[in-house]
Amino acid sequence: QVQLQESGPGLVKPSETLSLTCNLSGGSINNYYWSWIRQPPGKGLEWIGYIQYTGSTVYSPSLKSRLAISVDTSKNQFSLKLNSVTSADTAVYYCARHGAAASFDSWGQGTLVTVSS
Amino acid sequence: QSVLTQPPSVSGAPGQRVTISCTGNSSNIGAGYDVHWYQQLPGTAPKLLIFGNNNRPSGVPDRFSGSKSATSASLAITGLQAEDEADYYCQSYDNYLRVFGGGTKLTVL
Repeated sequence: QVQLQESGPGLVKPSETLSLTCNLSGGSINNYYWSWIRQPPGKGLEWIGYIQYTGSTVYSPSLKSRLAISVDTSKNQFSLKLNSVTSADTAVYYCARHGAAASFDSWGQGTLVTVSS
Repeated sequence: QSVLTQPPSVSGAPGQRVTISCTGNSSNIGAGYDVHWYQQLPGTAPKLLIFGNNNRPSGVPDRFSGSKSATSASLAITGLQAEDEADYYCQSYDNYLRVFGGGTKLTVL
Protein backbone atom coordinates (compact mmCIF):
# COMPACT_ATOMS: atom_id res chain seq x y z
CA GLN A 1 0.00 0.00 0.00
CA VAL A 2 1.37 3.38 -0.99
CA GLN A 3 2.52 5.69 1.78
CA LEU A 4 2.95 9.44 1.41
CA GLN A 5 5.22 11.65 3.50
CA GLU A 6 5.37 15.42 3.37
CA SER A 7 8.64 17.20 4.12
CA GLY A 8 9.83 20.78 4.22
CA PRO A 9 10.42 23.75 6.52
CA GLY A 10 7.94 24.22 9.33
CA LEU A 11 8.50 27.97 9.46
CA VAL A 12 8.48 30.40 6.56
CA LYS A 13 8.83 34.17 6.71
CA PRO A 14 6.15 36.43 5.22
CA SER A 15 6.70 37.25 1.52
CA GLU A 16 8.98 34.24 1.08
CA THR A 17 8.32 30.94 -0.70
CA LEU A 18 6.84 27.87 0.95
CA SER A 19 8.33 24.67 -0.46
CA LEU A 20 7.15 21.15 0.32
CA THR A 21 7.84 17.72 -1.11
CA CYS A 22 5.72 14.59 -0.97
CA ASN A 23 7.70 11.36 -1.08
CA LEU A 24 6.02 8.11 -2.02
CA SER A 25 6.92 4.66 -0.81
CA GLY A 26 5.34 1.30 -1.49
CA GLY A 27 3.92 2.42 -4.82
CA SER A 28 4.68 4.28 -8.03
CA ILE A 29 3.85 7.86 -8.87
CA ASN A 30 3.06 6.78 -12.42
CA ASN A 31 -0.50 6.43 -13.69
CA TYR A 32 -2.04 8.54 -10.93
CA TYR A 33 -3.02 12.11 -10.14
CA TRP A 34 -1.66 13.71 -6.97
CA SER A 35 -3.02 16.63 -4.96
CA TRP A 36 -2.00 19.09 -2.30
CA ILE A 37 -4.63 19.98 0.30
CA ARG A 38 -4.28 22.29 3.28
CA GLN A 39 -6.08 22.90 6.56
CA PRO A 40 -5.63 26.12 8.54
CA PRO A 41 -5.61 25.58 12.31
CA GLY A 42 -9.13 24.86 13.52
CA LYS A 43 -10.62 25.16 10.05
CA GLY A 44 -11.72 22.97 7.17
CA LEU A 45 -9.96 21.41 4.20
CA GLU A 46 -8.94 23.44 1.17
CA TRP A 47 -7.89 21.82 -2.08
CA ILE A 48 -4.78 23.53 -3.50
CA GLY A 49 -4.13 21.80 -6.81
CA TYR A 50 -3.17 18.57 -8.51
CA ILE A 51 -0.58 17.19 -10.88
CA GLN A 52 -0.64 14.18 -13.12
CA TYR A 53 2.46 11.99 -13.33
CA THR A 54 2.92 13.41 -16.85
CA GLY A 55 3.30 16.88 -15.36
CA SER A 56 -0.04 18.41 -16.31
CA THR A 57 -1.52 20.53 -13.53
CA VAL A 58 -4.75 22.11 -12.33
CA TYR A 59 -4.65 24.77 -9.62
CA SER A 60 -7.19 26.38 -7.33
CA PRO A 61 -8.06 29.79 -8.83
CA SER A 62 -7.52 31.46 -5.46
CA LEU A 63 -3.87 30.32 -5.36
CA LYS A 64 -3.02 29.98 -9.04
CA SER A 65 -0.97 33.18 -9.32
CA ARG A 66 1.39 32.10 -6.51
CA LEU A 67 1.48 28.35 -6.98
CA ALA A 68 3.64 25.79 -8.76
CA ILE A 69 3.32 22.01 -8.45
CA SER A 70 5.90 19.78 -10.07
CA VAL A 71 6.66 16.07 -10.28
CA ASP A 72 9.88 14.08 -10.37
CA THR A 73 9.06 10.55 -11.47
CA SER A 74 12.69 9.41 -11.10
CA LYS A 75 12.53 10.23 -7.39
CA ASN A 76 8.91 9.13 -6.97
CA GLN A 77 7.96 12.49 -5.52
CA PHE A 78 6.03 15.65 -6.26
CA SER A 79 6.45 19.14 -4.87
CA LEU A 80 4.63 22.36 -4.06
CA LYS A 81 5.93 25.91 -4.16
CA LEU A 82 3.78 28.78 -2.94
CA ASN A 83 5.33 32.23 -3.15
CA SER A 84 4.63 35.53 -1.44
CA VAL A 85 3.18 33.80 1.60
CA THR A 86 1.28 35.56 4.37
CA SER A 87 -0.09 34.44 7.72
CA ALA A 88 -3.20 33.25 5.87
CA ASP A 89 -1.07 30.46 4.39
CA THR A 90 -0.36 29.00 7.82
CA ALA A 91 -1.84 25.52 7.73
CA VAL A 92 -1.26 21.80 7.87
CA TYR A 93 -0.38 20.78 4.32
CA TYR A 94 -1.33 17.30 3.10
CA CYS A 95 -0.41 15.44 -0.04
CA ALA A 96 -2.88 12.87 -1.34
CA ARG A 97 -3.41 10.39 -4.16
CA HIS A 98 -6.43 10.39 -6.44
CA GLY A 99 -8.06 6.99 -6.29
CA ALA A 100 -11.34 5.46 -7.41
CA ALA A 101 -13.84 7.97 -8.79
CA ALA A 102 -11.20 10.66 -8.25
CA SER A 103 -11.52 10.45 -4.48
CA PHE A 104 -8.48 11.04 -2.30
CA ASP A 105 -7.74 7.49 -1.22
CA SER A 106 -4.32 7.87 0.38
CA TRP A 107 -3.07 10.79 2.44
CA GLY A 108 0.19 11.84 4.00
CA GLN A 109 0.24 12.54 7.73
CA GLY A 110 0.41 16.27 7.07
CA THR A 111 2.99 18.89 7.95
CA LEU A 112 2.35 22.16 9.75
CA VAL A 113 3.77 25.21 8.05
CA THR A 114 3.70 28.45 10.01
CA VAL A 115 4.21 31.78 8.29
CA SER A 116 5.77 34.17 10.74
CA SER A 117 8.70 36.52 11.03
CA GLN B 1 -17.40 30.16 2.26
CA SER B 2 -17.32 26.55 1.05
CA VAL B 3 -18.81 25.54 -2.27
CA LEU B 4 -20.48 22.58 -0.57
CA THR B 5 -22.57 23.30 2.53
CA GLN B 6 -22.55 21.05 5.59
CA PRO B 7 -24.05 21.58 9.04
CA PRO B 8 -21.32 22.69 11.47
CA SER B 9 -22.25 20.06 14.01
CA VAL B 10 -24.45 17.03 14.67
CA SER B 11 -24.75 14.80 17.70
CA GLY B 12 -26.23 11.52 18.75
CA ALA B 13 -26.22 8.99 21.53
CA PRO B 14 -24.43 5.65 21.26
CA GLY B 15 -26.41 3.21 19.15
CA GLN B 16 -28.39 5.91 17.39
CA ARG B 17 -28.41 6.86 13.72
CA VAL B 18 -27.19 10.23 12.51
CA THR B 19 -27.03 11.81 9.09
CA ILE B 20 -24.81 14.56 7.74
CA SER B 21 -25.96 16.52 4.72
CA CYS B 22 -23.88 18.06 1.95
CA THR B 23 -25.62 20.58 -0.27
CA GLY B 24 -24.23 21.74 -3.58
CA ASN B 25 -25.64 23.17 -6.79
CA SER B 26 -26.01 22.55 -10.50
CA SER B 27 -22.30 23.01 -11.20
CA ASN B 28 -21.11 20.30 -8.85
CA ILE B 29 -23.32 17.62 -7.26
CA GLY B 30 -26.26 18.57 -9.46
CA ALA B 31 -24.11 18.18 -12.58
CA GLY B 32 -23.78 14.49 -11.79
CA TYR B 33 -20.36 14.51 -10.20
CA ASP B 34 -19.53 11.97 -7.54
CA VAL B 35 -19.48 12.82 -3.85
CA HIS B 36 -16.89 11.42 -1.46
CA TRP B 37 -16.78 11.50 2.32
CA TYR B 38 -13.82 11.69 4.68
CA GLN B 39 -13.48 11.12 8.41
CA GLN B 40 -10.89 13.12 10.33
CA LEU B 41 -10.19 11.95 13.86
CA PRO B 42 -8.62 14.55 16.16
CA GLY B 43 -5.01 15.25 15.28
CA THR B 44 -4.91 12.92 12.30
CA ALA B 45 -5.09 13.13 8.53
CA PRO B 46 -8.46 12.67 6.82
CA LYS B 47 -9.38 9.14 5.85
CA LEU B 48 -11.56 8.14 2.89
CA LEU B 49 -14.87 6.84 4.21
CA ILE B 50 -17.17 6.73 1.15
CA PHE B 51 -16.23 7.13 -2.51
CA GLY B 52 -18.38 7.45 -5.58
CA ASN B 53 -21.47 8.45 -3.57
CA ASN B 54 -22.12 5.12 -1.86
CA ASN B 55 -19.05 2.88 -1.96
CA ARG B 56 -17.01 1.89 1.07
CA PRO B 57 -13.28 1.26 0.83
CA SER B 58 -12.06 -2.01 2.26
CA GLY B 59 -12.06 -1.91 6.04
CA VAL B 60 -14.77 0.72 6.50
CA PRO B 61 -17.66 -0.72 8.55
CA ASP B 62 -21.05 -1.05 6.90
CA ARG B 63 -22.44 1.24 9.60
CA PHE B 64 -21.34 4.03 7.25
CA SER B 65 -23.33 4.63 4.08
CA GLY B 66 -23.70 7.38 1.52
CA SER B 67 -26.44 8.57 -0.77
CA LYS B 68 -26.90 11.26 -3.36
CA SER B 69 -29.93 13.00 -4.82
CA ALA B 70 -30.25 16.01 -7.12
CA THR B 71 -27.94 18.68 -5.70
CA SER B 72 -27.21 17.10 -2.32
CA ALA B 73 -25.67 14.08 -0.67
CA SER B 74 -25.84 12.50 2.75
CA LEU B 75 -23.67 10.39 5.01
CA ALA B 76 -25.50 8.10 7.41
CA ILE B 77 -23.94 6.46 10.44
CA THR B 78 -25.91 3.78 12.23
CA GLY B 79 -25.15 2.14 15.57
CA LEU B 80 -23.21 5.20 16.66
CA GLN B 81 -20.04 4.48 18.64
CA ALA B 82 -17.80 6.69 20.74
CA GLU B 83 -14.97 6.16 18.24
CA ASP B 84 -17.08 7.83 15.53
CA GLU B 85 -16.59 11.22 17.17
CA ALA B 86 -14.72 13.13 14.50
CA ASP B 87 -14.99 15.74 11.77
CA TYR B 88 -16.59 14.65 8.51
CA TYR B 89 -16.08 16.29 5.12
CA CYS B 90 -17.83 15.84 1.81
CA GLN B 91 -15.96 16.46 -1.43
CA SER B 92 -16.95 16.71 -5.06
CA TYR B 93 -15.95 18.25 -8.38
CA ASP B 94 -16.83 21.66 -9.75
CA ASN B 95 -15.62 23.12 -13.02
CA TYR B 96 -12.48 20.96 -13.17
CA LEU B 97 -11.70 21.74 -9.52
CA ARG B 98 -11.95 19.64 -6.40
CA VAL B 99 -14.14 21.19 -3.71
CA PHE B 100 -14.79 20.34 -0.07
CA GLY B 101 -17.63 21.01 2.29
CA GLY B 102 -16.90 23.07 5.38
CA GLY B 103 -16.94 20.00 7.60
CA THR B 104 -19.28 18.67 10.29
CA LYS B 105 -18.23 17.87 13.83
CA LEU B 106 -19.95 14.75 15.11
CA THR B 107 -20.31 14.54 18.87
CA VAL B 108 -21.25 11.24 20.49
CA LEU B 109 -23.20 12.10 23.63
